[in-house]
Amino acid sequence: NAGVTQTPKFRVLKTGQSMTLLCAQDMNHEYMYWYRQDPGMGLRLIHYSVGEGTTAKGEVPDGYNVSRLKKQNFLLGLESAAPSQTSVYFCASRGADRKLFFGSGTQLSVL
Amino acid sequence: GIQVEQSPPDLILQEGANSTLRCNFSDSVNNLQWFHQNPWGQLINLFYIPSGTKQNGRLSATTVATERYSLLYISSSQTTDSGVYFCAANSGGGADGLTFGKGTHLIIQP
Repeated sequence: NAGVTQTPKFRVLKTGQSMTLLCAQDMNHEYMYWYRQDPGMGLRLIHYSVGEGTTAKGEVPDGYNVSRLKKQNFLLGLESAAPSQTSVYFCASRGADRKLFFGSGTQLSVL
Repeated sequence: GIQVEQSPPDLILQEGANSTLRCNFSDSVNNLQWFHQNPWGQLINLFYIPSGTKQNGRLSATTVATERYSLLYISSSQTTDSGVYFCAANSGGGADGLTFGKGTHLIIQP
């Protein structure tokens, strides 16, 4: 039972490049979330999903897109990366007990 | 949306000491959780505690929902307790994500 798995763990992009972060969970959770963590600011919600085929905006959605084509996967896309998107990205899922479980994070640098 | 404030921002203790971390929130909550982020960046769920008291080994947590605060107690601290402790809360009834505080950075010295 792997829990929540994020790939890749590290990535360096140039300004304007695009990329997709993958989150996979094997706990059959309905709800999935993408957060970003910046120094001194805690975690902020980017987008979330309440089930397969659904997505919704969080606190800081600009510059990101998401898709939930399969229940176990939640993808976060950056179409045109900017230095302000340099951050650590965490995916999380939530089950019926309402507890949040996190992946190990993706460290992204945009030069 | 709900505001979550944590105190103190930093705490340095000797191994064996006890500590109390505080989380204040601006609205009634239906979901409140405590997390530990270890020095390697991994976020671990400690407690789901929108009200009442829970204990897990040397850690315990209490949420007084009517007064809008929660406390995390760590007894007999060990160096492995070092890291950042986050409180996160939600006042809505749906699947909206939790709002995180800025955390308490705890250092346990041997």
